[in-house]
Amino acid sequence: QQQVKQSPQSLIVQKGGISIINCAYENTAFDYFPWYQQFPGKGPALLIAIRPDVSEKKEGRFTISFNKSAKQFSLHIMDSQPGDSATYFCAASSTGNQFYFGTGTSLTVIP
Amino acid sequence: SQTIHQWPATLVQPVGSPLSLECTVEGTSNPNLYWYRQAAGRGLQLLFYSVGIGQISSEVPQNLSASRPQDRQFILSSKKLLLSDSGFYLCAWKQQEEAFFGQGTRLTVV
Repeated sequence: QQQVKQSPQSLIVQKGGISIINCAYENTAFDYFPWYQQFPGKGPALLIAIRPDVSEKKEGRFTISFNKSAKQFSLHIMDSQPGDSATYFCAASSTGNQFYFGTGTSLTVIP
Repeated sequence: SQTIHQWPATLVQPVGSPLSLECTVEGTSNPNLYWYRQAAGRGLQLLFYSVGIGQISSEVPQNLSASRPQDRQFILSSKKLLLSDSGFYLCAWKQQEEAFFGQGTRLTVV
């Protein structure tokens, strides 16, 4: 059973546009929700993360929106750039336990 | 600072041959260690995780095994590789909340 569901599977955005990737979870014990960015042939790297006690976290052009009641969270990339083209994974975990990853979203930003 | 080393970066092995991938972590002690596999265009599948020396938990039945002979060393092995073992293998460590990944090993079984 997929603990974290991620959509869309792929996304094409024009340069300067907004990229939005969505994730949903079921386990209310999850208390940490990171997003990872992966370039081809490399391991994923932490991009930004949020805890359920806040509804939004922003770091530069990247924002996580979190809806605890709906058990959903999303990544927004503002002013998307070609260098943002990568695969993005959402994840969820509870303290001391393993991560559960979404299936990934392949983002392509067209110049 | 903490770093994670994973090798080799790429590997081509014939069907039926053995496999040994090694992962070591520096700058931390008693980390939780993980092996993931990523098939082409797919997500991250957790294969094994370890919370300490000699402690291995398997998430899926498969042709692979894992061992943790030292606190900061995690090894992924197979006695006989199958074509379906091809993929991108990632080692990761987690302490408290954040997970850090190695650069991965691209395994092609031919």
